Amino acid sequence: KNEVEQSPQNLTAQEGEFITINCSYSVGISALHWLQQHPGGGIVSLFMLSSGKKKHGRLIATINIQEKHSSLHITASHPRDSAVYICAVPAGGTSYGKLTFGQGTILTVHP
Amino acid sequence: DTGVSQNPRHKITKRGQNVTFRCDPISEHNRLYWYRQTLGQGPEFLTYFQNEAQLEKSRLLSDRFSAERPKGSFSTLEIQRTEQGDSAMYLCASSLAASMGGYTFGSGTRLTVV
Repeated sequence: KNEVEQSPQNLTAQEGEFITINCSYSVGISALHWLQQHPGGGIVSLFMLSSGKKKHGRLIATINIQEKHSSLHITASHPRDSAVYICAVPAGGTSYGKLTFGQGTILTVHP
Repeated sequence: DTGVSQNPRHKITKRGQNVTFRCDPISEHNRLYWYRQTLGQGPEFLTYFQNEAQLEKSRLLSDRFSAERPKGSFSTLEIQRTEQGDSAMYLCASSLAASMGGYTFGSGTRLTVV
């Protein structure tokens, strides 16, 4: 079973600040997902990455497979970035299939 | 293709009633997953299908819960004799079995049992 820990659980920032959310997992994997969930809404996939770094707009995700750690960064944060950010990994170390999720990080960006 | 579609978006039901949710995955995706998310928690795995075969069920899926994917396309999740503890967001996702990408979530069905 893969255990996933995210930190921090809650994060408050001022508009424009650089945001970092961390995710650690216990079992080696070949890929990790970063997801975004707005209040009352469904989940949107932001990234799936297996090594190095990916960038999409103001979002950057990095992963270190050896250290079993990933980070999600948001540059120049904006109030519309306020959401829950969740990392997820394949359960049991498989590369696809069912996912195990972190508890989520609640991000609030104030104008 | 409009992604993974779930219906209804919201459902309020009285305790003891039966409810059924539907998920329409991306058409070429042969794997379909159901997850449940309670307030303040990350989603938890319930069950998944490859084509019409239900390959795994979580112990969270009590005998009041049943899921089907009769033709390997859409899926239904039924909860019989609902309890207040069943109140949650029920999420569906789909993917290609042989691919590491394409994992797509639906918008979820929020169930409230009163």
